[in-house]
Amino acid sequence: QLQLQESGPGLVKSSETLSLTCTVSGGSINSRIYYWGWVRQPPGKGLQWLGSISYSGTTYYNPSLNSRVTISVDKSKNQFSLGLNSVTAADTAVYYCVRPLYCSGGTCIDYWGQGTLVTVSS
Amino acid sequence: EIVMTQSPATLSVSPGERATLSCRASQSISSNLAWYQQKPGQGPRLLVYGASTRATGIPARFSGSGSVTDFTLTISSLQSEDFAVYYCQQYNNWPWTFGQGTRVEIK
Repeated sequence: QLQLQESGPGLVKSSETLSLTCTVSGGSINSRIYYWGWVRQPPGKGLQWLGSISYSGTTYYNPSLNSRVTISVDKSKNQFSLGLNSVTAADTAVYYCVRPLYCSGGTCIDYWGQGTLVTVSS
Repeated sequence: EIVMTQSPATLSVSPGERATLSCRASQSISSNLAWYQQKPGQGPRLLVYGASTRATGIPARFSGSGSVTDFTLTISSLQSEDFAVYYCQQYNNWPWTFGQGTRVEIK
């Protein structure tokens, strides 16, 4: 069973860079068919896709983040990472790492980490 | 960006009753629509994909329907564990986008 686990600082200062890592276990990140991504949820609010990355490094970022987001993969560690620069209080959220919905043979599945709360302080 | 609009924001239902949740896309998304359930302190759980296919392990009381721009999630007979927030999400165009959620609460 694939498992994803987020890690990183729970408190980041305003204007600095938020950095999180997702460790994948129970499967390899080294797959040509899967993407890996990040979703966030501000307290009491809805969900927002931040971006995703493929095995080969192809990235898709949410344009609403104005180029502040970077996602990378470390195949040797079976991890992928999120960077979000110039953070403000509006970036305070629970951040989830996700293996996005993938469909094969008519069956689709996704995997989510448990989420980690990151608070941006002034 | 495709905007997903869910209604109602809150639905008050008695256990055993039917709940009907709606989701509308701002443009055609074919059948590339998923429904998620989220309980407090937990991540989202996939219920339905392809607008109408239940994910593995999801009870038959959950059913999805619709296509193009209008979609519905029906819970035929609400159980206590079904009281939660439900989100629709389109995966037809990047960025994938979620609706704002419908909270299903006990009446």
